Amino acid sequence: DTGVSQDPRHKITKRGQNVTFRCDPISEHNRLYWYRQTLGQGPEFLTYFQNEAQLEKSRLLSDRFSAERPKGSFSTLEIQRTEQGDSAMYLCASSFPRGKGSDEQYFGPGTRLTVT
Amino acid sequence: KQEVTQIPAALSVPEGENLVLNCSFTDSAIYNLQWFRQDPGKGLTSLLLIQSSQREQTSGRLNASLDKSSGRSTLYIAASQPGDSATYLCAVNDYKLSFGAGTTVTVRA
Repeated sequence: DTGVSQDPRHKITKRGQNVTFRCDPISEHNRLYWYRQTLGQGPEFLTYFQNEAQLEKSRLLSDRFSAERPKGSFSTLEIQRTEQGDSAMYLCASSFPRGKGSDEQYFGPGTRLTVT
Repeated sequence: KQEVTQIPAALSVPEGENLVLNCSFTDSAIYNLQWFRQDPGKGLTSLLLIQSSQREQTSGRLNASLDKSSGRSTLYIAASQPGDSATYLCAVNDYKLSFGAGTTVTVRA
């Protein structure tokens, strides 16, 4: 069990560029979540997948954002035409719910995005 | 919409003192509640998970209680150490996590 990994750990980009982040969940976990955290705040939910199906998207996820999990394993989050307001830590989590009460989410180290 | 509040926002204590961190939430229809630790610029480390049917959970020096009917959870850290300095976040799970803004703890040596 190697834990949740994210790549890259840091990304600096100019406004208007596209960026893509990758998340590799814990291998047997069928649920994968994306959250965004800005300075001094708790993470906010963006979207989640069960296997390859994207089951919910937050209203925070504008049409410039797209997420995929093509084979139910790793996931990518793409932001098109980045804006300075997109600067944040993007966190990925995974879980394998064996019952609603026991669904524990495990987080990766995050990708820090800075838009200049 | 679930609202999660953590009080206080920051806490500074001398080493050895017990810590009490509070979390409140508005919707009691939750599956469970998780407490996390976050070091500056890092991801989240899960500390404890309390299922909605449980009243408390313990791990080492950490003890968390849950009163679902009143929408409250408390994290107790016994005999604090400088290494406990971090931000502590609570999150309620109704299939997705809703987080509070965290309590930043400083333990002075």
